[in-house]
Amino acid sequence: DADVTQTPRNRITKTGKRIMLECSQTKGHDRMYWYRQDPGLGLRLIYYSFDVKDINKGEISDGYSVSRQAQAKFSLSLESAIPNQTALYFCATSDTGIGTGDTQYFGPGTRLTVL
Amino acid sequence: GNSVTQMEGPVTLSEEAFLTINCTYTATGYPSLFWYVQYPGEGLQLLLKATKADDKGSNKGFEATYRKETTSFHLEKGSVQVSDSAVYFCALYTNTGNQFYFGTGTSLTVIP
Repeated sequence: DADVTQTPRNRITKTGKRIMLECSQTKGHDRMYWYRQDPGLGLRLIYYSFDVKDINKGEISDGYSVSRQAQAKFSLSLESAIPNQTALYFCATSDTGIGTGDTQYFGPGTRLTVL
Repeated sequence: GNSVTQMEGPVTLSEEAFLTINCTYTATGYPSLFWYVQYPGEGLQLLLKATKADDKGSNKGFEATYRKETTSFHLEKGSVQVSDSAVYFCALYTNTGNQFYFGTGTSLTVIP
């Protein structure tokens, strides 16, 4: 089984709808991240969390919110989806160990289309 | 600030050709440097890393050397295969703020 899973894998929605993307991990890592990937822009950080009580905004947090329900779960919400949020979304984790905390593990991605 | 710049693609090579994908970085402190690979339809996975100057990361025939004097971490492979077709991302990690920074990705297609 995959260590980092994302649901759904694909989603098509309409402008103005609320959408939640979910991420679960079995790696036991404290740190979790949400990125979006757009052609020519690479990965941009939306939010990150270093433990259950810690939530931080990334480079492009406007229009998004997150919830860290447990160490293993980190959800991303689009309160009112708009077409320019059409992108590929990735969840990632990392641990905090010296020598290992610098490596991220990615989920398979969620392809979101907002019409 | 911290940033990563990598060569734009797409890159198309014939099988067994030599590959170089350039990556340069700007960072405060002493970052770790990475190459991640994204195969079609999948998430990113770590290809190799180097944590200090002059270190060489290697995996699956790919290599990259951490060059502090030129702030570079170029990815090389002596003989590419069709199965190497993917998007390659250069990245850095700094433990000042525990942040990761990614390049824009370089798409590689290897043709038989």
